[in-house]
Amino acid sequence: SQQGEEDPQALSIQEGENATMNCSYKTSINNLQWYRQNSGRGLVHLILIRSNEREKHSGRLRVTLDTSKKSSSLLITASRAADTASYFCATDPWGWGKLQFGAGTQVVVTP
Amino acid sequence: GAGVSQSPSNKVTEKGKDVELRCDPISGHTALYWYRQSLGQGLEFLIYFQGNSAPDKSGLPSDRFSAERTGGSVSTLTIQRTQQEDSAVYLCASSAPAADTQYFGPGTRLTVL
Repeated sequence: SQQGEEDPQALSIQEGENATMNCSYKTSINNLQWYRQNSGRGLVHLILIRSNEREKHSGRLRVTLDTSKKSSSLLITASRAADTASYFCATDPWGWGKLQFGAGTQVVVTP
Repeated sequence: GAGVSQSPSNKVTEKGKDVELRCDPISGHTALYWYRQSLGQGLEFLIYFQGNSAPDKSGLPSDRFSAERTGGSVSTLTIQRTQQEDSAVYLCASSAPAADTQYFGPGTRLTVL
């Protein structure tokens, strides 16, 4: 079963706009990670935020974590066509690396 | 350096046949994970190897599924008597000691006819 739910399921934006997607999860966590997947194949790790952190930045990515609401958000600023992909949040409830993935948000960035 | 590699990239098999999927983790990574991605179930954890410890098989969907990791490196996921519901992309990931980030391979797309 999946730990998280992501919202929206799909997002279509134009280049230069910001993209925001949300992830909710069910149990307490050790950390939460965001991954990107192109064309339904391998996942690429984007960013990890630990349970004692509230916000983290990496390049054009900003991640927030609210453990009281069991939710996280991923913001991609100044989006590019190359950002077109599916984005997944993954939680690690036990700290052993057995990631529990959300259903993903499919992002399409049009030039 | 080389990333996680998986072979074959695509596998088509007939129902009832056995298949073996291979994963080569990043050199030096002690943890290795198998996941499955299917339309109906999304991304699911299957099995986890950490060093020389006994694997965590809690995610394997049935006893037709097994995996081994030889010499703490290469892993093989075996599915016996394949069923159509086994059709999915099988993803392997590895991580460095004491690290949380997992590096994924490109996956093997399995189609059971």
